[in-house]
Amino acid sequence: GAVVSQHPSRVICKSGTSVKIECRSLDFQATTMFWYRQFPKKSLMLMATSNEGSKATYEQGVEKDKFLINHASLTLSTLTVTSAHPEDSSFYICSARPPFGTGDGYTFGSGTRLTVV
Amino acid sequence: GENVEQHPSTLSVQEGDSAVIKCTYSDSASNYFPWYKQELGKGPQLIIDIRSNVGEKKDQRIAVTLNKTAKHFSLHITETQPEDSAVYFCAASPDTGRRALTFGSGTRLQVQP
Repeated sequence: GAVVSQHPSRVICKSGTSVKIECRSLDFQATTMFWYRQFPKKSLMLMATSNEGSKATYEQGVEKDKFLINHASLTLSTLTVTSAHPEDSSFYICSARPPFGTGDGYTFGSGTRLTVV
Repeated sequence: GENVEQHPSTLSVQEGDSAVIKCTYSDSASNYFPWYKQELGKGPQLIIDIRSNVGEKKDQRIAVTLNKTAKHFSLHITETQPEDSAVYFCAASPDTGRRALTFGSGTRLQVQP
């Protein structure tokens, strides 16, 4: 089945620094990828939709200047958390879906645990 | 936008019993309904999905039913095993591939040996 690879799995950074998270579709091309955030014991909340070759679409309340998304190729989307603060500590998960009609559903990466100290 | 509600939030069953988790959705445009299993510290794993042109789907011990008129769908796990213990999420989306999934709040299933 379709595989989405996400790196790093864990990152600890100092307050005020930036962190980049990568999401790759390994065996299919993804014109659209999705970034979610999940707090402990909570559900996945959509942050933004990443579109290859164009600007990302952000959900209401998500600061686009803080969470920079780049989708420069059909297999890679990156999320950069800029000037990170402790409240940005969370579990970030990306998702993608093989081309419509192939039968595979939305596939998720393994997630990135971000801790800002 | 879509709103998905999921119940119960926690469910404890004895090994071998059945478990049922229920979800409702609000957007009549939604026609794709997957279920995910998430283990601690990992991303969600798709366990089964159903589309609106089907009322029921089964895969071994797991089944999903959909009532499109009532806008609700359910996950059924039979002969539960301790390794079924995890958090389960339902989700809904228009089946276009370019729209994100909207998730339910999750159900923590505990299977007691």
